[in-house]
Amino acid sequence: GNSVTQMEGPVTLSEEAFLTINCTYTATGYPSLFWYVQYPGEGLQLLLKATKADDKGSNKGFEATYRKETTSFHLEKGSVQVSDSAVYFCALSSRGSYIPTFGRGTSLIVHP
Amino acid sequence: DSGVTQTPKHLITATGQRVTLRCSPRSGDLSVYWYQQSLDQGLQFLIQYYNGEERAKGNILERFSAQQFPDLHSELNLSSLELGDSALYFCASSGGGPPHYNEQFFGPGTRLTVL
Repeated sequence: GNSVTQMEGPVTLSEEAFLTINCTYTATGYPSLFWYVQYPGEGLQLLLKATKADDKGSNKGFEATYRKETTSFHLEKGSVQVSDSAVYFCALSSRGSYIPTFGRGTSLIVHP
Repeated sequence: DSGVTQTPKHLITATGQRVTLRCSPRSGDLSVYWYQQSLDQGLQFLIQYYNGEERAKGNILERFSAQQFPDLHSELNLSSLELGDSALYFCASSGGGPPHYNEQFFGPGTRLTVL
C-alpha cells in the first residue's frame, strides 16, 4: 500500500536559516504529491503540490521537487521566518484511490 | 478561509456519552472526509463520503458512524465515548475540477475532550 515517511521533529531553526524537511514515499503508479501546513489552532491547508515527475511546486518561498528516482518530495525554504512555525505534512494521492496518505507531520519552530 | 465549516469548535463531555460533529463542505465539493488527529496517532483517516454515499473507510471504530445528507453537509457521530477519544476531529472536502483535483480543503476542526 501507499505510505509517506517524514523526518521526525521538532526542527528548530533561527530566523533566516535554510530549511529542509525530508519526505519519501511508497506508492504504485504516479501519485500526486502535496505539502500541507497546519498553523497552531488551525486546520491543515495546502502549501504546494506537484503532479508528475520533475515538477516543482512552490508557494510563499517554499519549494519541493517531485523526484521519482528517489521517491522523494523534500520541502525547502531559503530563509525561514518566525511566522513559518507550524506543523508540515507531506501527503500523496494515487489515481484510483480516494484516500490521501499523510505523513506523521514535522513540527517546525523558528526562533527570532 | 478554506470554505469548510465545522461545528462546534470545542466539545467537552463525559465518558459513555454520545456527540455529533457537523461539517459543511466547500461550495460545489461532493466529497467529505473525516480525520482524527491526536498527539500519539497523528492524522488518522476515518471515513469518506461522496455525494451522499460512503466511499471509503479507514481506521474508524464501530462506535463511530457518519453520514452525508442531500445538501452535502456531513455529521460524525461518536458514541460510548472513552477518554482515548479525546482528539481534534477534522473534516475536509474535495471534488473540484482541475487544477484542484485531489486537493483537500480542511475545516478548522472540533476539539473533543472526554472527561
